[in-house]
Amino acid sequence: EIVLTQSPTTMTASPGEKVTITCRASSSVSYMHWYQQKPGASPKPWIYETSKLASGVPDRFSGSGSGTSYSLTINNMEAEDAATYYCQQWNYPWTFGGGTKLELK
Amino acid sequence: QVQLTESGPGLVHPSETLSLTCTVSGFSLTGYSVYWVRQPSGKGLEWMGRMRYNGDTSYNSALKSRLSISRDTSKNQVFLKMNSLQTDDTGTYYCTRVYSSYTTGFAYWGQGTLVTVSS
Repeated sequence: EIVLTQSPTTMTASPGEKVTITCRASSSVSYMHWYQQKPGASPKPWIYETSKLASGVPDRFSGSGSGTSYSLTINNMEAEDAATYYCQQWNYPWTFGGGTKLELK
Repeated sequence: QVQLTESGPGLVHPSETLSLTCTVSGFSLTGYSVYWVRQPSGKGLEWMGRMRYNGDTSYNSALKSRLSISRDTSKNQVFLKMNSLQTDDTGTYYCTRVYSSYTTGFAYWGQGTLVTVSS
């Protein structure tokens, strides 16, 4: 089973700040997916297949990476981006990272 | 449009069996696989199992001895049964579907059903 380690676990960012969340896999994976979750809500697909933005996701978000290292980046943090972000890999069995809680400063 | 809706008992007593239903619309269970994902209260996401489009099942090895997934294609429903529940099984249970046969990632999620294990 591939273990995904996200960092940081929690972070705060000011409006307009650039944010980067990383996800490291214990073995190489083909793709990384990212989900956004706000309190009391279901996870939402956010970035799929490493770099493709899900429907409705603002283009200040981007995803990149390969092998064992992936990242989600927000250019110009906005208040609505405060949420918990999870990475997830698609090699069976499917596993998720522990999450990164992003708060607004 | 694609919809998944979980339903279940809400409260389960320790050592009892959990039974959940995922009712889908907007697609056929013979065309797409349905996955179960859970989230212990205040914690992260865990894949539990899969009902494949062809009727095959896959389970998380950590849960395999307690978990069973089945379906009724005529009712557009997928069922999850997990026995010997304990308090750390408390959390929200989701069913989800991928984008397509060619595009991976969990694209569609139900609203989740909260399960509390308590005496």
